[in-house]
Amino acid sequence: GENVEQHPSTLSVQEGDSAVIKCTYSDSASNYFPWYKQELGKRPQLIIDIRSNVGEKKDQRIAVTLNKTAKHFSLHITETQPEDSAVYFCAAPTDSNYQLIWGAGTKLIIKP
Amino acid sequence: DVKVTQSSRYLVKRTGEKVFLECVQDMDHENMFWYRQDPGLGLRLIYFSYDVKMKEKGDIPEGYSVSREKKERFSLILESASTNQTSMYLCASRTGANSGNTIYFGEGSWLTVV
Repeated sequence: GENVEQHPSTLSVQEGDSAVIKCTYSDSASNYFPWYKQELGKRPQLIIDIRSNVGEKKDQRIAVTLNKTAKHFSLHITETQPEDSAVYFCAAPTDSNYQLIWGAGTKLIIKP
Repeated sequence: DVKVTQSSRYLVKRTGEKVFLECVQDMDHENMFWYRQDPGLGLRLIYFSYDVKMKEKGDIPEGYSVSREKKERFSLILESASTNQTSMYLCASRTGANSGNTIYFGEGSWLTVV
């Protein structure tokens, strides 16, 4: 079955710098990779996702890249701002393609 | 705008008590989920339901049961609460049984078992 590993568990960056969070997955048949953001005390919400027919997707300051050969995908946040402080979760589908397996989460801290 | 509502945000229960966590969604979604969130462990699936009266075990179903009598409501039941069930519980819903569809979460229920 699918296994998802997410690194780092905590990431502290200076405001204005870039942040990168990486996830690896095990099932080469996986074809959908979402990222969810959970602000303190709030619900997780989808911020960006990528499907296996593309290598990169951007939405303003956030981007996701996918390397199918190496079986990893990454979240990139540029020009970080205080509101980017949150826990970020990656996920990948199980072999049944009905469920998602979640990474352990990355706590992103933006230092002023 | 999809709304997933968990009626109890913060609960304190005693060991051995029966606990009900209620979740309601307003978007006519077929799929509903209960996750448990613990630091460093991510989101672990307890139970999910593809449709009314249907339920499937997730990764950590032991000590839990669920009920889905109506499409909009999915309840998580702890038959006899234990201290190791102290955690944050997230309900979620999704349209259709496809992992590529967006999952919408509730705001979570913080349960402390003493």
